[in-house]
Amino acid sequence: QITLKESGPTLVKPTQTLTLTCTFSGFSLSTSGVGVGWIRQPPGKALEWLALIYWNDDKRYSPSLKSRLTITKDTSKNQVVLTMTNMDPVDTATYYCAHSVGGSFDYWGQGTLVTVSS
Amino acid sequence: QSALTQPRSVSGSPGQSVTISCTGTSSDVGGYNYVSWYQQHPGKAPKLMIYDVSKRPSGVPDRFSGSKSGNTASLTISGLQAEDEADYYCCSYAGSYDWVFGGGTKLTVL
Repeated sequence: QITLKESGPTLVKPTQTLTLTCTFSGFSLSTSGVGVGWIRQPPGKALEWLALIYWNDDKRYSPSLKSRLTITKDTSKNQVVLTMTNMDPVDTATYYCAHSVGGSFDYWGQGTLVTVSS
Repeated sequence: QSALTQPRSVSGSPGQSVTISCTGTSSDVGGYNYVSWYQQHPGKAPKLMIYDVSKRPSGVPDRFSGSKSGNTASLTISGLQAEDEADYYCCSYAGSYDWVFGGGTKLTVL
């Protein structure tokens, strides 16, 4: 079955760069049509799509955060990495990775809470 | 690219039906049949309930249905049950391989 799990620091300081890793199993990111996305959710607030990388290495970013985000994949390791630069307290959120095929995010990781504080 | 508009809250009694709307633009909801809906219980990850406007993943009760008219998509839950109380989010493809979520709706089962 498909599973995803996010990992990374739970606490980062303002201005630092956040690096999150999504390790997945049950599918291959080299299969046509497959993608892995990142979505975040500040405490008590709504979901926000951040980025998505496709099987063909096409990368898409939220227009509002594009300048701060980089998404990469390592197909051999079944991992997708998201980096976000210049972290700010408003970036405090639970960060999820999710499997995408077609027009939806059908499998989600459990999420990882990242707090930005000095 | 602005968030899709959802009502902040809806409520209904057990057995009743409720509908949650999700309003976008012709550049997202109205332009593509890639609207999905997610259920999120407190402290849990979102769960896909509807995809491609009206399709249900395996295991999702047929009490959940989706539709779209113009720039507005809707999620209808019939025969409300206590376990349906949760937050619901819509999501739409927005062209150029971009995606946008709604602001979320809190469903209360009275």
